[in-house]
Amino acid sequence: EIVMTQSPATLSVSPGEKATLSCRASRSVSYNVAWYQQRPGQTPRLLIYGASTRATGIPARFSGSVSGTEFTLTIRSLQTEDFAVYYCQQYDKWPPYTFGQGTKLEIK
Amino acid sequence: EVQLVQSGAEVKKPGESLKISCKGSGYTFTDYWIGWVRQMPGKGLEWMGIIYPGDSDTTYSPSFQGQVTISADKSINTAYLQWSSLRASDSALYYCARGGSASTYPFDDWGQGTLVTVSS
Repeated sequence: EIVMTQSPATLSVSPGEKATLSCRASRSVSYNVAWYQQRPGQTPRLLIYGASTRATGIPARFSGSVSGTEFTLTIRSLQTEDFAVYYCQQYDKWPPYTFGQGTKLEIK
Repeated sequence: EVQLVQSGAEVKKPGESLKISCKGSGYTFTDYWIGWVRQMPGKGLEWMGIIYPGDSDTTYSPSFQGQVTISADKSINTAYLQWSSLRASDSALYYCARGGSASTYPFDDWGQGTLVTVSS
């Protein structure tokens, strides 16, 4: 089973600033990584797939990148609605298509 | 518009059986994988398994293999997650989510979730 390790567990950032969230895969998953946002009490929402492609309707301030097995989600100009929990997921090798443990992005 | 509508919240006793559902609409149900994801209270997302309704090809996470059964009825565009004997540790929020037409694809649409509470 591939392990996806997210860091940090909690990230405190001020509105208008940039947030950088990391996710490391325990072995190669090609570019088959997605990022999801889950606001409190809401359903997860797909933000990024293929490591760097924004899903339909996702604002351009969200971007994804990859270097080897290290995946990064960057959120620029943080809006209040962006404060949520973010999960990465590999969908390259199953079972299972593992999720990371999540990063909580909170207002500083 | 793609929609996945899940059945309502359930309260069950340990040892009871349960089958929850997920009805897809707005797309060709048989052409896309449907997965199930568990979220325990205050915890993260866990991938349970996935089914291709077109031919009922199913894959389970090793953590859930033998603990649940995933099925689909393509005649009514509905996927199911069932337990034969619930335990208190099965109390969680369960989401269904649509994958792609190929297995290597993320979940791009999600159901609203079904809360399952197992308590004596």
